[in-house]
Amino acid sequence: TQLLEQSPQFLSIQEGENLTVYCNSSSVFSSLQWYRQEPGEGPVLLVTVVTGGEVKKLKRLTFQFGDARKDSSLHITAAQPGDTGLYLCAGAGYGQNFVFGPGTRLSVLP
Amino acid sequence: DSGVTQTPKHLITATGQRVTLRCSPRSGDLSVYWYQQSLDQGLQFLIQYYNGEERAKGNILERFSAQQFPDLHSELNLSSLELGDSALYFCASSEGDPNQPQHFGDGTRLSIL
Repeated sequence: TQLLEQSPQFLSIQEGENLTVYCNSSSVFSSLQWYRQEPGEGPVLLVTVVTGGEVKKLKRLTFQFGDARKDSSLHITAAQPGDTGLYLCAGAGYGQNFVFGPGTRLSVLP
Repeated sequence: DSGVTQTPKHLITATGQRVTLRCSPRSGDLSVYWYQQSLDQGLQFLIQYYNGEERAKGNILERFSAQQFPDLHSELNLSSLELGDSALYFCASSEGDPNQPQHFGDGTRLSIL
C-alpha cells in the first residue's frame, strides 16, 4: 500500500515570510496533486504535476515534482493570511488507489 | 463552486441509528469518491464508484455501504452509528482516470449524540 507523508505537520509563520512544505513517499506516483482546504469546506485543487522534475508556478506558489516521482514540494513566497489552510498532497501510483497525505496545517499571522 | 452537491449539510442523530448521505457529481464526471475526515485529521478514503460500478475500496467499515445510481448520483449509507462516526464526510467526483483531479463538495457534517 502506498503512503504519502507530509512535513511539517503544523506551521505557523508571520505574514511576508517564505515557507516550503514537503510531500514524500517510497512509491512512484504517476502524478501528484496539491489541494488546499479551508475550515468547513472541501479541498480545492491547486495544481497537478505529472512529469518528473516538473516545476509549476501559481502566483506566489511554486510546486515541484521530484525527478524520481516519489516526492513533491510546495514553496510559498511572501505568505499572506489568506494562505492559511490545510495543504494536502495526493496521488495515484501505477495501478494503485488514489491516496491523500495527512496534510500540513499552515497558519499565517498578520 | 465545484459543481459537486452534497446533502444534507448537517446531520445530527443518535447512536445505533442509520443515515444516508447524498452526492450529485459534477456534470460529465463518471467517478464518485467518498471520504471521511475526523476532527483535525486528514482525508480517509472510503470507496470509489465509476459509472455505477465499485472501482476501489479503502478503509470502509462493514457498517457502511455505498452505491452509484444510473444518473450517477451516489449515496453513502451509515448504519449502527457509533460516537466515533462523527466526522465530515466528503464526496468528490472526477472524469474517472486516477490522474484526473477530484472536485469536492462542501461535505456533510455528521454528529452522533
